[in-house]
Amino acid sequence: NAGVMQNPRHLVRRRGQEARLRCSPMKGHSHVYWYRQLPEEGLKFMVYLQKENIIDESGMPKERFSAEFPKEGPSILRIQQVVRGDSAAYFCASSPRRVNTEAFFGQGTRLTVV
Amino acid sequence: ELKVEQNPLFLSMQEGKNYTIYCNYSTTSDRLYWYRQDPGKSLESLFVLLSNGAVKQEGRLMASLDTKARLSTLHITAAVHDLSATYFCAVDSYSNFGNEKLTFGTGTRLTIIP
Repeated sequence: NAGVMQNPRHLVRRRGQEARLRCSPMKGHSHVYWYRQLPEEGLKFMVYLQKENIIDESGMPKERFSAEFPKEGPSILRIQQVVRGDSAAYFCASSPRRVNTEAFFGQGTRLTVV
Repeated sequence: ELKVEQNPLFLSMQEGKNYTIYCNYSTTSDRLYWYRQDPGKSLESLFVLLSNGAVKQEGRLMASLDTKARLSTLHITAAVHDLSATYFCAVDSYSNFGNEKLTFGTGTRLTIIP
């Protein structure tokens, strides 16, 4: 049973470009979370999704960031018009239930904006 | 808003010594995690603590939870070099949307000196 798969592992974008980060949850998991880790900091919650629904996006920046988890395929975190401050590690986690459950983390995508 | 504080932020210790990392949090929670992160890597789950007075041990690491004091500790016994890493505590909480999400401490960067 493969773990949470994220790709790409490393992504370099020029300022103003778009970044798309993908996350395939563990088999049997329909709950996905995205966290961001800025350099030298802890992870911060961004968004929680179930299949086809965004449930909690309280940690998402108001502009340029969006997330989806379609019925088929991976969850996508999309960052439009990237800026240097978006450089960070983005981690996805998945769980089998909404509550009373541990979420399992992927390897992360390290985004560098140049 | 839930706040999680860890201390110390940086810790250098000699091999063979004992030390404790502290994690304080500001509101009631049912679940606390300890993670290890090596540079450029993802999070490795070390312990999940579910109830007041919970104590778990794995090798040279022991974690405990006092929900009344809102305090968890990670104790390192007779440190060895391969324990060098950044350690995070994370506290589970419920959002306004009914889902759980993790709030992370700032991390403790542990360096074991031969």
